[in-house]
Amino acid sequence: EDQVTQSPEALRLQEGESSSLNCSYTVSGLRGLFWYRQDPGKGPEFLFTLYSAGEEKEKERLKATLTKKESFLHITAPKPEDSATYLCAVRNTGGFKTIFGAGTRLFVKA
Amino acid sequence: DTEVTQTPKHLVMGMTNKKSLKCEQHMGHRAMYWYKQKAKKPPELMFVYSYEKLSINESVPSRFSPECPNSSLLNLHLHALQPEDSALYLCASSPGTGEETQYFGPGTRLLVL
Repeated sequence: EDQVTQSPEALRLQEGESSSLNCSYTVSGLRGLFWYRQDPGKGPEFLFTLYSAGEEKEKERLKATLTKKESFLHITAPKPEDSATYLCAVRNTGGFKTIFGAGTRLFVKA
Repeated sequence: DTEVTQTPKHLVMGMTNKKSLKCEQHMGHRAMYWYKQKAKKPPELMFVYSYEKLSINESVPSRFSPECPNSSLLNLHLHALQPEDSALYLCASSPGTGEETQYFGPGTRLLVL
């Protein structure tokens, strides 16, 4: 059964304190791994899609990496406006269903 | 442009009402999705339309009825809902061509009284 587990559930950082969020997954055949940012009461905002192990993508203070079993979202020198829930999701090669993890709630204090 | 729009933003309805949620995208995407999201939980898939045909129905109660009038529009018709159906309803779309990144709308906050 396809599964996505994110850790930690919540992360509190000081402004400028770099850290990483983890997404572990099991899937029969990976079609894509997705990272989203979600602010309270709003729809998820697309960040990255990764397709194969070894792939890396960057956007401003965020960098996503992918191995055969997990993905990391690295946050460098975070700012308070980076506070949000970060969702990881995977899609297998079999169809249209995307499996979401429970998310990591990130709090960045000034 | 990666915009998906949803209307209304907020909806309050009684258990005997009939209402509809609307979703629109102009990215030429051929797959569209409805999700339900409760507070502090991830989105849960309800329905998937691919090329205007319903391809996934995640055993959603019949009081939720999806409709895809054309490749740009997706509706969710609501009837005789229960208070536990109160949630954020999200629409998303993806190209449907193998590139399956989904782009989400802002959601409709639904409260059932």
